[in-house]
Amino acid sequence: QKEVEQDPGPLSVPEGAIVSLNCTYSNSAFQYFMWYRQYSRKGPELLMYTYSSGNKEDGRFTAQVDKSSKYISLFIRDSQPSDSATYLCAMSAMNTGFQKLVFGTGTRLLVSP
Amino acid sequence: DTAVSQTPKYLVTQMGNDKSIKCEQNLGHDTMYWYKQDSKKFLKIMFSYNNKELIINETVPNRFSPKSPDKAHLNLHINSLELGDSAVYFCASSDGGAVNLKRETSYEQYFGPGTRLTVT
Repeated sequence: QKEVEQDPGPLSVPEGAIVSLNCTYSNSAFQYFMWYRQYSRKGPELLMYTYSSGNKEDGRFTAQVDKSSKYISLFIRDSQPSDSATYLCAMSAMNTGFQKLVFGTGTRLLVSP
Repeated sequence: DTAVSQTPKYLVTQMGNDKSIKCEQNLGHDTMYWYKQDSKKFLKIMFSYNNKELIINETVPNRFSPKSPDKAHLNLHINSLELGDSAVYFCASSDGGAVNLKRETSYEQYFGPGTRLTVT
């Protein structure tokens, strides 16, 4: 079993839909949680960062962390075709700082016009 | 003004060959990484260097040898290539790591465009 589990998808939604992407993890030492977006044939780029539990909002994106359930989510409101990409969750523990990121397998999102 | 660059972008080679991938970052970061992304998009860290010093080495076969001539460069040399080495290799950099936990900007890793390695 991987340390971080993520449904690979693809997740297909119509433009304007609310998208929910999720990851579960097993290592209770994880404190830093991130979402990276990866377009086809490109490198991942950081989308959201959250420390410990709670919510964080940035424009159409909201990241949620529930450490008690070992569950993190990324919500995308008013999804756009340009949001079509693979979304990777990533996390790291305090004792390794930000250097040792453990990634989920990524969820492929397709937003149709 | 590319932040993290890798060469080559594509690499096709035969089993048993030795090849190198180069990475350069112009962000002034002191930590660099190599990741391997397999066909199922699973991204896994291989190595991390901080100020030219190896700090993470994740059970990678010793056919893989990273080399950091200076803070801005991290190269990956692979000996005796095998079919299972076929993947996309990403270089990344960040502004420190464990030593910079108080600086919010230190958590972001900037990835290069990747090198698609195909071993036949």
